Amino acid sequence: GAVVSQHPSRVICKSGTSVKIECRSLDFQATTMFWYRQFPKQSLMLMATSNEGSKATYEQGVEKDKFLINHASLTLSTLTVTSAHPEDSSFYICSALGQNTGELFFGEGSRLTVL
Amino acid sequence: GIQVEQSPPDLILQEGANSTLRCNFSDSVNNLQWFHQNPWGQLINLFYIPSGTKQNGRLSATTVATERYSLLYISSSQTTDSGVYFCAVATTSGSRLTFGEGTQLTVNP
Repeated sequence: GAVVSQHPSRVICKSGTSVKIECRSLDFQATTMFWYRQFPKQSLMLMATSNEGSKATYEQGVEKDKFLINHASLTLSTLTVTSAHPEDSSFYICSALGQNTGELFFGEGSRLTVL
Repeated sequence: GIQVEQSPPDLILQEGANSTLRCNFSDSVNNLQWFHQNPWGQLINLFYIPSGTKQNGRLSATTVATERYSLLYISSSQTTDSGVYFCAVATTSGSRLTFGEGTQLTVNP
């Protein structure tokens, strides 16, 4: 299957700082990637759809100025949590569509803790 | 948007038992995937099964698209099967997945 990698896997930051999370498709090109968020004991909720070379599409209720998404190449999408606050603490997971298939593959996830 | 319901929400088994997890969805789908989320949070792809039946070792899955449900079968369960099992669907091929609430499976030795 296709491999999607995220970095960092864990990050702890102070309130008010910005954090960048990277999502890479290692062995295939991904024109579209998706960013999800998961709170403890809950399901995954889609935050935004990241399209290579164009602006991301955000789900209702997700602040685009707070969660900056950049998809500058066919193998890399980044999520930047700006001016992070404790309520932004969560598990962030990216996914990418495998080439020539409708199947989505997920990264390992990034656990953000904002103090 | 599409609704995805999974049942049961929690399931406790003794090692060696069999189980069936169900996923109901409210609209036609072009993609349906089953995942196992391990204790570290990673989603492991189990099946890509918008229709039909597939088997992989002790696991198998069946999707009856016309009746809008999918089943995941786990046979001879092991403690390492513990975790959360998610069903996720998409109404258009290649589009975002909508997740169910998951089934928390605990397999006791």
